[in-house]
Amino acid sequence: AQSVTQPDIHITVSEGASLELRCNYSYGATPYLFWYVQSPGQGLQLLLKYFSGDTLVQGIKGFEAEFKRSQSSFNLRKPSVHWSDAAEYFCAVGRGGSNYKLTFGKGTLLTVNP
Amino acid sequence: KAGVTQTPRYLIKTRGQQVTLSCSPISGHRSVSWYQQTPGQGLQFLFEYFSETQRNKGNFPGRFSGRQFSNSRSEMNVSTLELGDSALYLCASSTGLRLGGETQYFGPGTRLLVL
Repeated sequence: AQSVTQPDIHITVSEGASLELRCNYSYGATPYLFWYVQSPGQGLQLLLKYFSGDTLVQGIKGFEAEFKRSQSSFNLRKPSVHWSDAAEYFCAVGRGGSNYKLTFGKGTLLTVNP
Repeated sequence: KAGVTQTPRYLIKTRGQQVTLSCSPISGHRSVSWYQQTPGQGLQFLFEYFSETQRNKGNFPGRFSGRQFSNSRSEMNVSTLELGDSALYLCASSTGLRLGGETQYFGPGTRLLVL
């Protein structure tokens, strides 16, 4: 069965600092990987996705993620965090090509200090 | 294109009642998936509908059901509500064509509180 682990429940960074959110997955085949962000009381917004090809993918809001098959990881990064990035971040793996069923990690809550 | 819309946004019900939630997918999308989000269990897949048929189901009791209409709009029903059903219910839409590399787009959710 596929699974996703986000080791950090809560991360606090200062505005302007760099950010890396960790994600490890377990999946038997080539994974389809996603990062979503959720602001309080809101739905999930897609930040970026990896399906194949270049292992470094760029997303919206200045985020990027790197797929490392050898480490079963798909970490999310941002070089300089803005206060508006404070939210909860979810890593997810899709089942097969259709990705009709996403398996999510438990999420990482990001707090940004001024 | 308009995004995924869900109604109502908030609901308060009492134990034993039933509730119906609605989801309108992005225009042209034929697949709608439903998820339950709770602080304890996180995001869990409920079921997926495609072309008015339930195509896949998660591990939830039969009190949770759904349907999809010919215009791809979907409804989710929970009967005999329990306190533990309090959650944010999210729906997501995609083309559903299973050509590989599908992306699910989420709505804002319906917050259900069971008292």
